[in-house]
Amino acid sequence: GQQLNQSPQSMFIQEGEDVSMNCTSSSIFNTWLWYKQDPGEGPVLLIALYKAGELTSNGRLTAQFGITRKDSFLNISASIPSDVGIYFCAGQLRNFNKFYFGSGTKLNVKP
Amino acid sequence: SQTIHQWPATLVQPVGSPLSLECTVEGTSNPNLYWYRQAAGRGLQLLFYSVGIGQISSEVPQNLSASRPQDRQFILSSKKLLLSDSGFYLCAWSARDRGTDTQYFGPGTRLTVL
Repeated sequence: GQQLNQSPQSMFIQEGEDVSMNCTSSSIFNTWLWYKQDPGEGPVLLIALYKAGELTSNGRLTAQFGITRKDSFLNISASIPSDVGIYFCAGQLRNFNKFYFGSGTKLNVKP
Repeated sequence: SQTIHQWPATLVQPVGSPLSLECTVEGTSNPNLYWYRQAAGRGLQLLFYSVGIGQISSEVPQNLSASRPQDRQFILSSKKLLLSDSGFYLCAWSARDRGTDTQYFGPGTRLTVL
C-alpha cells in the first residue's frame, strides 16, 4: 500500500520555539490533511490542503501542499504547552476514497 | 453542522466474547465512512471503509467485520474477540466531493480485551 513518511517521529522543544514537521510520499496526492490528537481522543483536523503550492494558516499553524504534490509540511510558531500531542499527516490519491496516514510526530513542549 | 458519535466510549470484554461498536453521523448525507484501529502510541490502521449502504471494503484480514445498515450508521463487529483486538477504535466520515475531500474523526472507543 501507499506509504507516507512523516518526520520527525518525536520532538522535545522549549515553549516559544517554532516547530516544523513534514510528510513525503512516492505518490502524487490530491489532498493533504493535518491532524492533532490528544491522549484518549480522536484526531482533530487542523488544516486541509487541496492545491499544489497552497499555503494555509490556522492561527499559529501554517501548512503547505508541496509543488510536486508528493509532500507537505506543518509549521507551528511560538509553541505553547497545549501544543503537546501527536500530529498526523494524511493524503488522498485522486479518485480514491481512502486516506493514507503518516506514523505521527509526537510533540513535547517544556514550559 | 456535522457531528459524529461513537459508543460506547470504553469497553472491557473477555476473550471469545462478541463485539459491536456503533458509529453514527449527523448533518450530512451519503458520507464515506471508515473504521480505524490505533494501538497504544502508534499510528492509524484502516480496517474498513464504506461508500454506501451495504458496501464494505475490508483492508486488513482479521476476525472483525463491518456493516452499514443505514446511510449514516456504521457498525464494527466481531463474533469472538482476541487479545490482539485491544486498541482504540476510531470512526471517521468524509464527504464525497472529489477534489475537496476532508475526513473527520469521532471521539473513539477504547477496547480492552482480557
